Amino acid sequence: NAGVTQTPKFQVLKTGQSMTLQCAQDMNHEYMSWYRQDPGMGLRLIHYSVGAGITDQGEVPNGYNVSRSTTEDFPLRLLSAAPSQTSVYFCASRIEGEFGEQFFGPGTRLTVL
Amino acid sequence: RKEVEQDPGPFNVPEGATVAFNCTYSNSASQSFFWYRQDCRKEPKLLMSVYSSGNEDGRFTAQLNRASQYISLLIRDSKLSDSATYLCVVNRNSGYALNFGKGTSLLVTP
Repeated sequence: NAGVTQTPKFQVLKTGQSMTLQCAQDMNHEYMSWYRQDPGMGLRLIHYSVGAGITDQGEVPNGYNVSRSTTEDFPLRLLSAAPSQTSVYFCASRIEGEFGEQFFGPGTRLTVL
Repeated sequence: RKEVEQDPGPFNVPEGATVAFNCTYSNSASQSFFWYRQDCRKEPKLLMSVYSSGNEDGRFTAQLNRASQYISLLIRDSKLSDSATYLCVVNRNSGYALNFGKGTSLLVTP
């Protein structure tokens, strides 16, 4: 199993550009989520999904869109990139159940100029 | 108030020392509690779940106090390889989404 995969690993954007961060998992987990991690801020939840067709907002959803058309894929779209979105983005999927482990992808390092 | 709060450290300890990390959470409805470990520039990985009765995994012991909404992690006989950031994690609004503390940095020195 590949686990949780993310592409690209690194990306540089100009202000105003749009892009999609890809995330896929091959563990058949219903629950997936996106976080951003900034120095001194810890991991902050952007959006999450409890299954195909179902998404919800986390702590910092503004400027980001998600959709979940399949169990495997959960892309994150930046509509109009801003320098404040410079961050490391982690995608995760989680085993169901009260103590289900959450697995993270390796992260995408995004810089917005 | 942030949902999960941790002392950021850093904690600098010599090899063989015992070190304890604390964490408080604000949502009394939370039911799932974890400690994750994150190495520099890597993704977080599960260290251990935290059960109501407390639990131990080798040199690591986790405790939960629901009345005080407090979680702890004790590391005994610290190794150089324990150097990392330790993240306190609590489920959000009784659901599957997880909230992470900012992390506590540990450096174990020879």
